[in-house]
Amino acid sequence: QKEVEQDPGPLSVPEGAIVSLNCTYSNSAFQYFMWYRQYSRKGPELLMYTYSSGNKEDGRFTAQVDKSSKYISLFIRDSQPSDSATYLCAMSYTGNQFYFGTGTSLTVIP
Amino acid sequence: SQTIHQWPATLVQPVGSPLSLECTVEGTSNPNLYWYRQAAGRGLQLLFYSVGIGQISSEVPQNLSASRPQDRQFILSSKKLLLSDSGFYLCAWSVKGRGNNSPLHFGNGTRLTVT
Repeated sequence: QKEVEQDPGPLSVPEGAIVSLNCTYSNSAFQYFMWYRQYSRKGPELLMYTYSSGNKEDGRFTAQVDKSSKYISLFIRDSQPSDSATYLCAMSYTGNQFYFGTGTSLTVIP
Repeated sequence: SQTIHQWPATLVQPVGSPLSLECTVEGTSNPNLYWYRQAAGRGLQLLFYSVGIGQISSEVPQNLSASRPQDRQFILSSKKLLLSDSGFYLCAWSVKGRGNNSPLHFGNGTRLTVT
């Protein structure tokens, strides 16, 4: 079993839709959770960084962590064509080790 | 603010040739530094990480090596490239000294094609 599971998609939505991206994990020791956005041929860009359970909001983006279910989500409200990218989840429990999902490809259609 | 520079952006090299990819971080000192390789559909594979000058940990036995000659400089090398070394190489850094509370920050990567 992989440490982090992420549906690769692809996911295609119309502009203005609410997007939900999800990851599940198996290691209950994970405490820090990240979402990255990666455009084609670019490096991943940190979008959200959260600790433990709960929600964190930043503009149109909301990160949600449910440690009891070992499940994290990223919601994108009012999605835009510029949100079209691959989204990676990541998590850690030590300072030097990070565990990544394989990424979900998102296309927002104008 | 902190920035990370990685070059070159793309590279085409013949099998058996040497490799040197360089990464530098600005705006922070004594960072943790990382080299990852990203393959389509397979996620990010950690190759090396470094907690200080001259301190390198290798995660995967392979044809590559890493060095950290200066605090904010991280170099990925190979003496003889293999076809299987083709991929997208990413350098990243994180802050040291805040316990676990520091995410990774990535450079824009080098796309390496070995022919």
